[in-house]
Amino acid sequence: NAGVTQTPKFRVLKTGQSMTLLCAQDMNHEYMYWYRQDPGMGLRLIHYSVGEGTTAKGEVPDGYNVSRLKKQNFLLGLESAAPSQTSVYFCASSSRGDYGYTFGSGTRLTVV
Amino acid sequence: GQQLNQSPQSMFIQEGEDVSMNCTSSSIFNTWLWYKQDPGEGPVLLIALYKAGELTSNGRLTAQFGITRKDSFLNISASIPSDVGIYFCAVLNYGGSQGNLIFGKGTKLSVKP
Repeated sequence: NAGVTQTPKFRVLKTGQSMTLLCAQDMNHEYMYWYRQDPGMGLRLIHYSVGEGTTAKGEVPDGYNVSRLKKQNFLLGLESAAPSQTSVYFCASSSRGDYGYTFGSGTRLTVV
Repeated sequence: GQQLNQSPQSMFIQEGEDVSMNCTSSSIFNTWLWYKQDPGEGPVLLIALYKAGELTSNGRLTAQFGITRKDSFLNISASIPSDVGIYFCAVLNYGGSQGNLIFGKGTKLSVKP
């Protein structure tokens, strides 16, 4: 019962480098989300998807891109990392967009 | 976007004490939720509230959905060390740039043994 798996768990990037965070869920959920968590800021939605092949912008989408080519996977890309993108990133999924979000255990990203 | 005001931001308590935290909004919402995030993990749903005035318990946790539908409270009785973490309130709000859930900024709970 894996649920939502995020890879990698930790990463250090240099400013200007690119990377992709992978989120995989095995619950056949339609909806998937990417959040970032910063101290005192709570969880802020970056992008989300309501089904395979769809993506939509959240509250803080600038500097990020996403793709949902397969239902079970939701990728978050940083094309040119900036120190302001240092954060903990969480992926979540849900069935039909209801409140039963299942979160992954997070990716801690540091941009130096 | 919509905002939830959660307080306090952080709490330092002694083991065995009771804890109380709350969440308010300027808008009416029909579903209020409480999540807990253990250190190093993602948030997990604790309690869901669907009806104004509703009081729901989950073990030592009790949550109430305010009668005005603009607030909610979470109480933890007889705290233990494993209660440590961040507690988030959330409301169901379909659509929009915040997705289907709007989260408060969290209450960080620390428990001294």
